[in-house]
Amino acid sequence: DIQMTQSPSSLSASVGDRVSITCRASQSISTFLSWYQQKPGKGTKLLIYAASSVQSGVPSRFSGSGSGTHFTLTISSLQPEDFATYYCQQSYSTPITFGPGTKVDIQ
Amino acid sequence: QVQLQESGPGLVKPSETLSLTCTVSGYSSSSYYWSWIRQPPGKGLEWIGYIYDSGATNYNPSLKSRVTLSVDTSNNQISLKLRSVTAADTAVYFCARVSSGHYDAVDIWGQGTMVTVSS
Repeated sequence: DIQMTQSPSSLSASVGDRVSITCRASQSISTFLSWYQQKPGKGTKLLIYAASSVQSGVPSRFSGSGSGTHFTLTISSLQPEDFATYYCQQSYSTPITFGPGTKVDIQ
Repeated sequence: QVQLQESGPGLVKPSETLSLTCTVSGYSSSSYYWSWIRQPPGKGLEWIGYIYDSGATNYNPSLKSRVTLSVDTSNNQISLKLRSVTAADTAVYFCARVSSGHYDAVDIWGQGTMVTVSS
């Protein structure tokens, strides 16, 4: 199985901050990497697919980069609605695996 | 606008079978297939398996001996059965649409349904 790790596991930030979350895979997954945002009571939303493609309807402040084993999700200017938990996921091979999540909360 | 709605019992006894149904509303083409994902309380996401409209499946090896996914295309429903459940199977269960055109990302998630395993 491909193991996914994320760092940090949590972070505190302020509105307007630039925030970056890192995701690493235990072996190369090319660009088969997605990022999701999960909010309690609001469901789970696809933000980024193919490592760097922004899903339709997702604000442009969200961006993704990376390939192989190292990936980054960046929020260029944190907004109040961005406080949530973020997960990366590899779809390179089954079993599909997710990172443990990064919780972003208000400083 | 495609929507997914999970349904089923919220409480299942240990050793019994957990059965959930996902109803798909709205159009969905053959570029998509279906997945179940679960999340124990306060924990991360675990992939359970995939099913295609053809009925072909791919299961997480950690659950393969206990899980069955099925699809009813005429009623736009996907079903999950998990046998011999224990407390470790207590989780929110999500139905999800997987997009081949998005590098197999989940582009639509159901809201999820909480299932508790307890006597």
